[in-house]
Amino acid sequence: DAMVIQNPRYQVTQFGKPVTLSCSQTLNHNVMYWYQQKSSQAPKLLFHYYDKDFNNEADTPDNFQSRRPNTSFCFLDIRSPGLGDAAMYLCATSRDLLTPLHFGNGTRLTVT
Amino acid sequence: ELKVEQNPLFLSMQEGKNYTIYCNYSTTSDRLYWYRQDPGKSLESLFVLLSNGAVKQEGRLMASLDTKARLSTLHITAAVHDLSATYFCAVNYGGSQGNLIFGKGTKLSVKP
Repeated sequence: DAMVIQNPRYQVTQFGKPVTLSCSQTLNHNVMYWYQQKSSQAPKLLFHYYDKDFNNEADTPDNFQSRRPNTSFCFLDIRSPGLGDAAMYLCATSRDLLTPLHFGNGTRLTVT
Repeated sequence: ELKVEQNPLFLSMQEGKNYTIYCNYSTTSDRLYWYRQDPGKSLESLFVLLSNGAVKQEGRLMASLDTKARLSTLHITAAVHDLSATYFCAVNYGGSQGNLIFGKGTKLSVKP
């Protein structure tokens, strides 16, 4: 029944080693979002796709990139993870820009 | 710049007691959300409040919105242990549901 699925649930990577997190959805929603949530902090929007249109938040570091090859999948690429990038990464979807978000279970990233 | 402030940030209460969490935001917005997050888990949508005076209730939780005061409240009635979690309010900006600014969250602990 899971509608927004994130893989893996836990990811460990080494400092500077590229890593990709994935998100898939069965809702056929137009919009997909990536949020970063550091420990005991509020989620922070990194970027979102409306269909194929990519929208980057102004303060999202260049180290973070995203791909959306089709409606169902969206990827978060961290090109050179630093220790400060350790966080929970949350994927969310919405039918359009005015409807509520559905969050996945998140991927917890550890950087060693 | 839109700011969202929650208080208290930590709340320890006994079962059976009532309490209110407050969420203030700094600029006009057309909707406000309340989310629940259990430790290590993703965000679960509780309420979406769309207009001044809106009130929504689900079980022991009731949320209200005063857009003139830029204030939302989440009232807990006769708390039970299962309500222990972190509660976030979030306000949208820029017309997109994904452009949510979250409060810092209120960590609620309900003790027997």
